[in-house]
Amino acid sequence: GAVVSQHPSWVICKSGTSVKIECRSLDFQATTMFWYRQFPKQSLMLMATSNEGSKATYEQGVEKDKFLINHASLTLSTLTVTSAHPEDSSFYICSARNGENYEQYFGPGTRLTVT
Amino acid sequence: AQKITQTQPGMFVQEKEAVTLDCTYDTSDPSYGLFWYKQPSSGEMIFLIYQGSYDQQNATEGRYSLNFQKARKSANLVISASQLGDSAMYFCAMREGYSSASKIIFGSGTRLSIRP
Repeated sequence: GAVVSQHPSWVICKSGTSVKIECRSLDFQATTMFWYRQFPKQSLMLMATSNEGSKATYEQGVEKDKFLINHASLTLSTLTVTSAHPEDSSFYICSARNGENYEQYFGPGTRLTVT
Repeated sequence: AQKITQTQPGMFVQEKEAVTLDCTYDTSDPSYGLFWYKQPSSGEMIFLIYQGSYDQQNATEGRYSLNFQKARKSANLVISASQLGDSAMYFCAMREGYSSASKIIFGSGTRLSIRP
């Protein structure tokens, strides 16, 4: 089956630093990738949608300058949390859509803790 | 705008019993897809079952079945013969349309706990 990986699976960083999270589709080409954020005991909230080679589309209320998304290839998208603060601590999940059949697959998630 | 509602924040069920998790949705798009995902404590999203808006029959996948009532805009998940390993968060989700711009949004989730 289709596999989506994320790296790192967890990360701890200090307040004010930037953190990059990678999302890869391992065995298919992902024309579209999605980034979700999940706070403890809450649902997944869509942050942004990115299409390969173009700028990401952010959901209302998500700061595009804080959450930088790059979808440089059909198998890789990155989310950079810039100048991280403790309130950015969350579980970040990416999802990749197969360009051929529009099936969408989820990565295992990245747990970010900002101290 | 699309919207998903799950009204049961938590449920307790005895092992081997059947359980129904409720989900209602709202959309003006005639083409949409409905999903159920399981999220154990590890955090991974496990796809369970899918129902397309034009599908005539209710979807089934092993012990999972989706009770799709289009006129009522409901898509309840039924788990038959529950097992201890079914304890997890369950999310109902929807995607409007089938274009590259279509996105999956999630309901608030139901935490299911199976009692031995």
